[in-house]
Amino acid sequence: EMQVLESGGGLVQPGGSLRLSCEASGFTFNYYAMTWVRQAPGKGLEWVSYISGSGDSAYYADSVRGRFTISRDNSENTLYLQMNSLRAEDTAIYYCAKDILVRGGFCMDVWGKGTTVTVSS
Amino acid sequence: QSALTQPASVSGSPGQSITISCTGTSSDVGGYKYVSWYQQHPGKAPKVIIYDVINRPPGISNRFSGSKSGNTASLTVSGLQADDEADYYCSSYTSSSTVIFGGGTKLTVL
Repeated sequence: EMQVLESGGGLVQPGGSLRLSCEASGFTFNYYAMTWVRQAPGKGLEWVSYISGSGDSAYYADSVRGRFTISRDNSENTLYLQMNSLRAEDTAIYYCAKDILVRGGFCMDVWGKGTTVTVSS
Repeated sequence: QSALTQPASVSGSPGQSITISCTGTSSDVGGYKYVSWYQQHPGKAPKVIIYDVINRPPGISNRFSGSKSGNTASLTVSGLQADDEADYYCSSYTSSSTVIFGGGTKLTVL
């Protein structure tokens, strides 16, 4: 069974940093692009960042570009999101998700349960 | 970039059909085949029900169908069932090499 499991969320002060992890299992990790999506309390989905299967290409939402860095360790089947200069508006559930197709489709078919990030003093 | 435009809510009775629209621009919905639809029940992670505008992943009921005309994509749910009550989000690849979601639509089964 294909699964992804996020970890690393928590309470952090404004301006602080946090590193999220996402462990994948049940599929050939390096074949698939991976994505981070977040959802603020009571709000809709917001795409955050995408990384290709090889890790050579990465893209970011305007709201996080320059503050967040996506990366992956294909030898460990793990995706990361390094979040710096955190703001209150970054408070959300952060989901890790796998791309549906090997060739890339910018669509996610396997989602984790999410990890909660709260930015507050 | 602003979110894709979806109606805030739609409703229908069991057995009926509903359609949810998702309007973007030629730089996203209108320019690419990478339009997807997700269903999200309260407290749960999203679940993809349509990808590449019209394709259903394995295990998704054929009561769900997708289409696109110009800058507007649509999701139709036929034969409404109680379990279809959920939030629905569209998404599209964009010319900026990003992905954008719609604001979400709450489907109520009366």
